[in-house]
Amino acid sequence: RKEVEQDPGPFNVPEGATVAFNCTYSNSASQSFFWYRQDCRKEPKLLMSVYSSGNEDGRFTAQLNRASQYISLLIRDSKLSDSATYLCVVVNQAGTALIFGKGTTLSVSS
Amino acid sequence: DADVTQTPRNRITKTGKRIMLECSQTKGHDRMYWYRQDPGLGLRLIYYSFDVKDINKGEISDGYSVSRQAQAKFSLSLESAIPNQTALYFCATEKQGISYNEQFFGPGTRLTVL
Repeated sequence: RKEVEQDPGPFNVPEGATVAFNCTYSNSASQSFFWYRQDCRKEPKLLMSVYSSGNEDGRFTAQLNRASQYISLLIRDSKLSDSATYLCVVVNQAGTALIFGKGTTLSVSS
Repeated sequence: DADVTQTPRNRITKTGKRIMLECSQTKGHDRMYWYRQDPGLGLRLIYYSFDVKDINKGEISDGYSVSRQAQAKFSLSLESAIPNQTALYFCATEKQGISYNEQFFGPGTRLTVL
Protein backbone atom coordinates (compact mmCIF):
# COMPACT_ATOMS: atom_id res chain seq x y z
CA ARG A 1 0.00 0.00 0.00
CA LYS A 2 1.41 3.39 -0.95
CA GLU A 3 1.97 5.82 1.89
CA VAL A 4 -0.59 8.34 0.68
CA GLU A 5 -3.18 7.57 -1.97
CA GLN A 6 -5.63 9.89 -3.66
CA ASP A 7 -8.09 9.61 -6.51
CA PRO A 8 -6.34 11.61 -9.26
CA GLY A 9 -9.58 12.73 -10.87
CA PRO A 10 -10.09 14.96 -12.68
CA PHE A 11 -13.25 16.09 -11.00
CA ASN A 12 -15.25 18.31 -13.35
CA VAL A 13 -18.04 20.16 -11.56
CA PRO A 14 -20.25 23.20 -12.24
CA GLU A 15 -20.07 26.33 -10.14
CA GLY A 16 -22.01 25.94 -6.92
CA ALA A 17 -21.50 22.20 -6.68
CA THR A 18 -20.29 20.38 -3.61
CA VAL A 19 -17.32 18.11 -4.17
CA ALA A 20 -15.45 15.73 -1.87
CA PHE A 21 -11.93 14.39 -2.13
CA ASN A 22 -10.68 11.35 -0.30
CA CYS A 23 -7.25 10.24 0.77
CA THR A 24 -5.93 7.15 2.54
CA TYR A 25 -2.62 6.78 4.34
CA SER A 26 -0.65 3.72 5.36
CA ASN A 27 1.17 4.78 8.53
CA SER A 28 -1.18 4.33 11.45
CA ALA A 29 1.26 6.24 13.69
CA SER A 30 0.95 9.45 11.66
CA GLN A 31 -0.06 12.41 13.79
CA SER A 32 -0.20 15.34 11.40
CA PHE A 33 -2.25 15.77 8.25
CA PHE A 34 -2.75 18.59 5.78
CA TRP A 35 -4.38 19.59 2.53
CA TYR A 36 -2.29 21.69 0.15
CA ARG A 37 -3.48 23.37 -3.01
CA GLN A 38 -1.41 23.66 -6.17
CA ASP A 39 -2.37 25.81 -9.12
CA CYS A 40 -1.11 24.85 -12.56
CA ARG A 41 2.67 25.35 -12.82
CA LYS A 42 2.76 27.01 -9.41
CA GLU A 43 4.10 26.03 -6.03
CA PRO A 44 1.95 24.14 -3.49
CA LYS A 45 0.41 26.22 -0.72
CA LEU A 46 -1.16 25.10 2.53
CA LEU A 47 -4.95 25.04 2.32
CA MET A 48 -5.67 23.71 5.80
CA SER A 49 -4.46 21.39 8.51
CA VAL A 50 -6.64 18.41 9.39
CA TYR A 51 -7.52 17.94 13.05
CA SER A 52 -8.88 14.84 14.75
CA SER A 53 -12.18 16.52 15.53
CA GLY A 54 -12.59 17.79 11.99
CA ASN A 55 -12.27 21.43 11.06
CA GLU A 56 -13.90 23.96 8.80
CA ASP A 57 -12.60 27.05 7.06
CA GLY A 58 -15.33 28.85 5.19
CA ARG A 59 -16.50 26.59 2.35
CA PHE A 60 -13.85 23.98 3.13
CA THR A 61 -14.25 21.14 5.63
CA ALA A 62 -11.57 18.58 6.47
CA GLN A 63 -12.24 15.31 8.26
CA LEU A 64 -9.95 12.67 9.71
CA ASN A 65 -10.88 9.06 10.43
CA ARG A 66 -7.96 7.47 12.25
CA ALA A 67 -9.54 4.03 12.47
CA SER A 68 -9.87 3.83 8.70
CA GLN A 69 -6.73 5.92 8.05
CA TYR A 70 -8.76 8.19 5.86
CA ILE A 71 -8.79 11.94 5.27
CA SER A 72 -11.35 13.93 3.36
CA LEU A 73 -11.81 17.43 2.02
CA LEU A 74 -15.25 18.82 1.25
CA ILE A 75 -15.70 21.95 -0.83
CA ARG A 76 -19.12 23.55 -0.81
CA ASP A 77 -20.48 26.08 -3.30
CA SER A 78 -17.55 25.59 -5.69
CA LYS A 79 -16.09 28.67 -7.37
CA LEU A 80 -14.18 28.93 -10.63
CA SER A 81 -11.18 29.95 -8.54
CA ASP A 82 -11.24 26.58 -6.75
CA SER A 83 -9.91 24.92 -9.91
CA ALA A 84 -6.57 23.46 -8.88
CA THR A 85 -4.89 20.26 -7.75
CA TYR A 86 -5.45 19.33 -4.11
CA LEU A 87 -2.65 17.45 -2.37
CA CYS A 88 -3.19 15.23 0.64
CA VAL A 89 -0.16 15.39 2.94
CA VAL A 90 0.89 13.19 5.87
CA VAL A 91 3.95 13.32 8.12
CA ASN A 92 6.27 10.40 7.35
CA GLN A 93 6.83 7.40 9.61
CA ALA A 94 10.04 8.84 11.06
CA GLY A 95 8.25 12.08 11.82
CA THR A 96 10.87 14.05 9.93
CA ALA A 97 9.24 15.06 6.66
CA LEU A 98 6.00 15.30 4.72
CA ILE A 99 4.69 12.69 2.30
CA PHE A 100 2.58 14.11 -0.49
CA GLY A 101 -0.17 12.32 -2.34
CA LYS A 102 -0.15 12.64 -6.11
CA GLY A 103 -3.01 15.09 -5.97
CA THR A 104 -6.61 15.31 -7.11
CA THR A 105 -7.41 17.73 -9.91
CA LEU A 106 -10.56 19.83 -9.70
CA SER A 107 -11.98 21.79 -12.59
CA VAL A 108 -14.94 24.08 -11.86
CA SER A 109 -16.82 25.38 -14.88
CA SER A 110 -19.43 28.10 -15.32
CA ASP B 1 9.67 40.38 -2.30
CA ALA B 2 9.17 36.62 -2.22
CA ASP B 3 10.08 34.87 1.01
CA VAL B 4 11.49 31.78 -0.73
CA THR B 5 13.32 32.27 -4.00
CA GLN B 6 14.85 29.79 -6.40
CA THR B 7 17.39 30.31 -9.14
CA PRO B 8 17.38 29.63 -11.97
CA ARG B 9 13.66 29.42 -12.74
CA ASN B 10 14.25 27.47 -15.92
CA ARG B 11 17.29 25.57 -17.10
CA ILE B 12 18.08 23.39 -20.06
CA THR B 13 21.26 21.38 -19.83
CA LYS B 14 22.91 18.39 -21.44
CA THR B 15 23.54 14.90 -20.13
CA GLY B 16 26.70 14.73 -18.05
CA LYS B 17 26.77 18.40 -17.09
CA ARG B 18 27.02 19.54 -13.50
CA ILE B 19 24.25 21.87 -12.42
CA MET B 20 23.39 23.66 -9.20
CA LEU B 21 19.98 24.90 -8.13
CA GLU B 22 19.90 27.60 -5.47
CA CYS B 23 17.30 28.31 -2.82
CA SER B 24 17.23 31.35 -0.56
CA GLN B 25 14.77 32.32 2.16
CA THR B 26 14.10 35.40 4.24
CA LYS B 27 11.64 33.72 6.62
CA GLY B 28 14.29 32.82 9.21
CA HIS B 29 13.23 29.16 9.18
CA ASP B 30 15.64 26.47 10.29
CA ARG B 31 14.22 23.64 8.19
CA MET B 32 14.68 23.49 4.43
CA TYR B 33 13.71 20.87 1.88
CA TRP B 34 14.25 19.96 -1.76
CA TYR B 35 11.51 18.14 -3.71
CA ARG B 36 11.05 17.12 -7.29
CA GLN B 37 7.68 16.87 -9.01
CA ASP B 38 7.00 14.67 -11.99
CA PRO B 39 3.68 14.25 -13.81
CA GLY B 40 1.76 11.37 -12.29
CA LEU B 41 4.24 10.91 -9.44
CA GLY B 42 3.57 13.88 -7.24
CA LEU B 43 6.11 15.60 -5.01
CA ARG B 44 8.99 13.47 -3.77
CA LEU B 45 11.54 14.46 -1.16
CA ILE B 46 15.18 14.56 -2.26
CA TYR B 47 17.04 15.99 0.76
CA TYR B 48 16.24 18.01 3.84
CA SER B 49 18.12 20.01 6.42
CA PHE B 50 17.08 21.01 9.95
CA ASP B 51 20.01 23.36 10.58
CA VAL B 52 23.21 24.68 9.05
CA LYS B 53 25.39 21.75 7.93
CA ASP B 54 22.68 19.24 8.87
CA ILE B 55 21.94 17.05 5.83
CA ASN B 56 19.44 14.20 5.57
CA LYS B 57 18.53 11.99 2.65
CA GLY B 58 14.98 11.85 1.46
CA GLU B 59 13.13 9.32 -0.63
CA ILE B 60 15.11 9.84 -3.86
CA SER B 61 18.58 11.22 -3.03
CA ASP B 62 20.61 9.15 -5.52
CA GLY B 63 22.24 11.36 -8.15
CA TYR B 64 21.84 14.50 -6.05
CA SER B 65 23.82 16.31 -3.36
CA VAL B 66 23.05 19.34 -1.23
CA SER B 67 24.83 21.99 0.76
CA ARG B 68 23.59 24.07 3.71
CA GLN B 69 26.31 26.54 4.60
CA ALA B 70 23.98 29.22 5.92
CA GLN B 71 20.53 29.26 7.46
CA ALA B 72 19.07 31.16 4.55
CA LYS B 73 20.51 29.06 1.72
CA PHE B 74 20.12 25.45 0.63
CA SER B 75 21.59 24.40 -2.71
CA LEU B 76 20.92 21.25 -4.72
CA SER B 77 23.52 19.84 -7.11
CA LEU B 78 23.30 17.33 -9.90
CA GLU B 79 26.90 16.19 -10.38
CA SER B 80 26.27 14.56 -13.74
CA ALA B 81 22.80 15.29 -15.02
CA ILE B 82 20.81 12.58 -16.79
CA PRO B 83 17.54 12.87 -18.75
CA ASN B 84 15.38 11.23 -16.07
CA GLN B 85 16.27 14.13 -13.79
CA THR B 86 14.12 16.32 -15.98
CA ALA B 87 11.48 17.60 -13.56
CA LEU B 88 10.10 20.56 -11.66
CA TYR B 89 12.17 21.16 -8.52
CA PHE B 90 10.80 22.90 -5.45
CA CYS B 91 12.56 24.20 -2.39
CA ALA B 92 10.56 24.61 0.82
CA THR B 93 11.10 25.99 4.31
CA GLU B 94 9.47 25.23 7.64
CA LYS B 95 9.67 26.76 11.06
CA GLN B 96 11.21 24.50 13.71
CA GLY B 97 8.61 23.43 16.25
CA ILE B 98 7.28 20.63 18.43
CA SER B 99 4.76 19.61 15.81
CA TYR B 100 4.60 20.11 12.12
CA ASN B 101 4.00 23.55 10.72
CA GLU B 102 3.23 24.91 7.32
CA GLN B 103 5.85 24.48 4.63
CA PHE B 104 6.47 27.44 2.36
CA PHE B 105 7.52 26.64 -1.18
CA GLY B 106 9.60 28.55 -3.65
CA PRO B 107 8.27 29.14 -7.18
CA GLY B 108 10.10 26.11 -8.59
CA THR B 109 12.87 25.46 -11.08
CA ARG B 110 11.96 23.73 -14.29
CA LEU B 111 14.96 21.61 -15.32
CA THR B 112 15.31 19.86 -18.66
CA VAL B 113 18.19 17.47 -19.27
CA LEU B 114 18.74 16.64 -22.92
